[in-house]
Order: sequence, then structure tokens, then C-alpha cells
Amino acid sequence: QSVLTQPPSVSAAPGQKVTISCSGSSSNIGRNYVSWYQQLPGTAPKLLIYENNKRPSGIPDRFSGSKSGTSATLGITGLQTGDEADYYCGTWDSSLSVGVFGGGTKLTVL
Amino acid sequence: QVQLVESGGGVVRPGMSLRLSCAASGFTFNNYDMLWVRQAPGKGLEWVAVIWYDGSNKYYADSVKGRFTISRDNSKNTLYLQMNSLRAEDTAVYFCARGPGVGHYWGQGTLVTVTS
Repeated sequence: QSVLTQPPSVSAAPGQKVTISCSGSSSNIGRNYVSWYQQLPGTAPKLLIYENNKRPSGIPDRFSGSKSGTSATLGITGLQTGDEADYYCGTWDSSLSVGVFGGGTKLTVL
Repeated sequence: QVQLVESGGGVVRPGMSLRLSCAASGFTFNNYDMLWVRQAPGKGLEWVAVIWYDGSNKYYADSVKGRFTISRDNSKNTLYLQMNSLRAEDTAVYFCARGPGVGHYWGQGTLVTVTS
């Protein structure tokens, strides 16, 4: 099992909003920046959010990130069928001195 | 633009060794930490190792500690992963990624298959 906990799956209709949670501890999320990644089938992960809530250039503002305590959340508004993918959170764990990822969340746009 | 191109993957038998390379371009290589992340077939992302921008520090996942070695050649803008004593459970796509964090830019990955 992963150090960071994500729901295995979420779903919503096109145009709707969805949130994906990522739960950790004081040694990882509680102390370090969180990143979020989108992975389409057969492709490499793509950075969506870094430093908890910043978007790289080219990432639409439909994607947002937040962090509170030992949890982080990815929000996606105006869902599109092209958003169907696996989403991962990741951060550094200061106690273990390793990087850690969530188990991934499969987003289905119904 | 940032480019990371992995190479060196293949099919090997348990107990054998393999060295992966990652050629970097489009950024000042020696300014960034570099890492390896792997993904077993049908599974999630697993962080493998990181090396600081100057090579002064290296950290490994427990699953590979003592068997894998991360290194870099800043004169060649290249990252390496030496993998020894390979096991079936090391079968995965191995991604090279650039910091900061657990991956700001990613390569397309190279497949390593360990099978008898």
C-alpha cells in the first residue's frame, strides 16, 4: 500500500466538477510541497500542479490544487472526456528520506 | 524545451544487471536534482531514487537499496541507473524525471522486463 492515500476511482458527468483527495502524514504532506500528475493510457505522467497549488504553463485553470494540514486536494472543473486518466499525488517524505506517491485515482467522465 | 530520453531497457534474467541512461537537454542539467520513477504493468507510480544536482546526495527506495545505484555525469548531461541483482518484481517502465520535487518534467520511459 502507498504512503499517500487516494480514492481508487472517481466519476462525474461532462461539465461537472470533481475533487480527488490525497491523505498523508506530518512527515510528508504536512511538511513538503505536493505535486499532482495526470497520466493518460500508455503515456508518461504529466505535471498538473506543483508546490501545492501552482500550475505549469499550458495547464488550464480548470485544474486547481490545495493543501491543508496532512491532506491535499486536486480539483477539476468543466470536466471533458479528454480528462479521463489516472491522477497521482506525490511529495517528499522527510522522515523516510524518499519520494512518495499516492496509489492513483482513475477518473471516469460519464 | 526540456527533453529527457531514456534508453537501456530490455529483457533480462533474474540476477542479471542492466544500466539505464537518461539524456537531458533544454535546461541547465547541473542545476537540478534528477530522479527515477518506475511503474509496473497495470500498477501505480513508484519512486525509485534521487540524486542531487551536484551528485552529493543520493536516496533510494527500500525496494532497491543495495541493488540499484543512481549516478550522473554533468559533463554529458546524462543520468544513470545501474540495476544489479534484478528480480521479477523489478519489471516496470522506468521514467527519468527532473526536479524540483518528485518530477517536474518526465521522459517517455524505458521498459525493463525481468523474466526467466
